[in-house]
Amino acid sequence: DAGVIQSPRHEVTEMGQEVTLRCKPISGHDYLFWYRQTMMRGLELLIYFNNNVPIDDSGMPEDRFSAKMPNASFSTLKIQPSEPRDSAVYFCASSPQGTDVYGYTFGSGTRLTVV
Amino acid sequence: GQNIDQPTEMTATEGAIVQINCTYQTSGFNGLFWYQQHAGEAPTFLSYNVLDGLEEKGRFSSFLSRSKGYSYLLLKELQMKDSASYLCAVRWWNGQNFVFGPGTRLSVLP
Repeated sequence: DAGVIQSPRHEVTEMGQEVTLRCKPISGHDYLFWYRQTMMRGLELLIYFNNNVPIDDSGMPEDRFSAKMPNASFSTLKIQPSEPRDSAVYFCASSPQGTDVYGYTFGSGTRLTVV
Repeated sequence: GQNIDQPTEMTATEGAIVQINCTYQTSGFNGLFWYQQHAGEAPTFLSYNVLDGLEEKGRFSSFLSRSKGYSYLLLKELQMKDSASYLCAVRWWNGQNFVFGPGTRLSVLP
C-alpha cells in the first residue's frame, strides 16, 4: 500500500491566489481528515469526511477554505483567496471504519507558503 | 474546554528511560492516541489507549488513568533516533475526531 498520498509537497504562492491541495487516502479507509500544523497552534483539525460525506467542518477557519471529497479515493482542500497567515503544513490523514487500534495514517503533508 | 497539556520540551540521555506526560479534560473521554513526529515529517502512530492500564509495544509503553485524566508515554533504552516531538491526542464523546495536544519535543543526547 502506498499510504496516504498528498500533492504538492511544497507550494509557494502569492497572496490572493487560489491554492488547491490534494489527497488520496488509503484504499478501504472510510474516514479522511484534513489537518493544519503551525508552530503557534500545533496540529488542528480542519474538516473530516466519512464515506465521502463531510461530518464536521467546524475547524475550517473561514469561508476562504473549502474541502470536497467527490469519491472515495480523492479529496481537495481549496483556499481562495490565500493570505500569508494561511502559511502552514497541511496534512491529510485517513483511517478505517470502526477501529482505532491502528490510529490515523498521515500523508507527508503539503508545506504552503503564501507571500 | 478540551485542554490537553504536555510539557513543551524534555531532554534525556541515550540509553536512559523517559516519561512524557499528558493531561486532559476527563468529561466525555473516549480514547487517547500517542504519535511520534520527527522534524519535517508526518506524525506516525505509536499507541492507542481507551481502558485504564499499561499498553506495551517494545521499547515504548503507554499508560492511561481515566479517572485522573492522565496518560504517559514511556520510552526505554533511548536511542538518538527517538529525538522527535511526541503528540498526545484525545477523543471526547462519540465523535470520530481526535484533538491533538501541543506536543513534547524530546532531545536525546549522547
